[in-house]
Amino acid sequence: ILNVEQSPQSLHVQEGDSTNFTCSFPSSNFYALHWYRWETAKSPEALFVMTLNGDEKKKGRISATLNTKEGYSYLYIKGSQPEDSATYLCAFYGPLNNNDMRFGAGTRLTVKP
Amino acid sequence: NAGVMQNPRHLVRRRGQEARLRCSPMKGHSHVYWYRQLPEEGLKFMVYLQKENIIDESGMPKERFSAEFPKEGPSILRIQQVVRGDSAAYFCASSRGQVTDTQYFGPGTRLTVL
Repeated sequence: ILNVEQSPQSLHVQEGDSTNFTCSFPSSNFYALHWYRWETAKSPEALFVMTLNGDEKKKGRISATLNTKEGYSYLYIKGSQPEDSATYLCAFYGPLNNNDMRFGAGTRLTVKP
Repeated sequence: NAGVMQNPRHLVRRRGQEARLRCSPMKGHSHVYWYRQLPEEGLKFMVYLQKENIIDESGMPKERFSAEFPKEGPSILRIQQVVRGDSAAYFCASSRGQVTDTQYFGPGTRLTVL
């Protein structure tokens, strides 16, 4: 069984703080990693698709890095705002999974004004 | 360009009835994925389809569940003889290409089985 693990499970920060969280995945047979932002009562919103070791992607104040050799990806949020409050999911694709996407349980971020 | 559409948004069925969930992908997208979120659990992959083809159904329960994506019209997830344990939020996502392409999620269908 291939596990995708995210840490921490939840995170509370003050407005303006920068924060980061981790997605760990099997380092063998990596194919792609997706990051999503999921607000309560809405549907997941795609942030990044990462495919190459060493990839760094950025979207506004949010960025992500990828290390396929050691099996982890970091998501960074610079200067957190209350509207960043959401659950951040990562999802892993590897050939052993065929075409199914394995989701982590998510990191629930709460940004206090 | 409309996003991924799912209907109905809420569906209530009694045990033993059939549930049909529809997903219309974004324009230009020919790949559809179905996911399920059971209460207090995360998202789980169910099935991946392209037009007229099931590519991977490894996440589908072996019985009562089926999916199709016809040449014309929406993708359908069909659950026969529903049981209470089928109560969940069912999301579909579409993409232009394969797993390295961005997936766009629909708003989900919340199924409640009485």
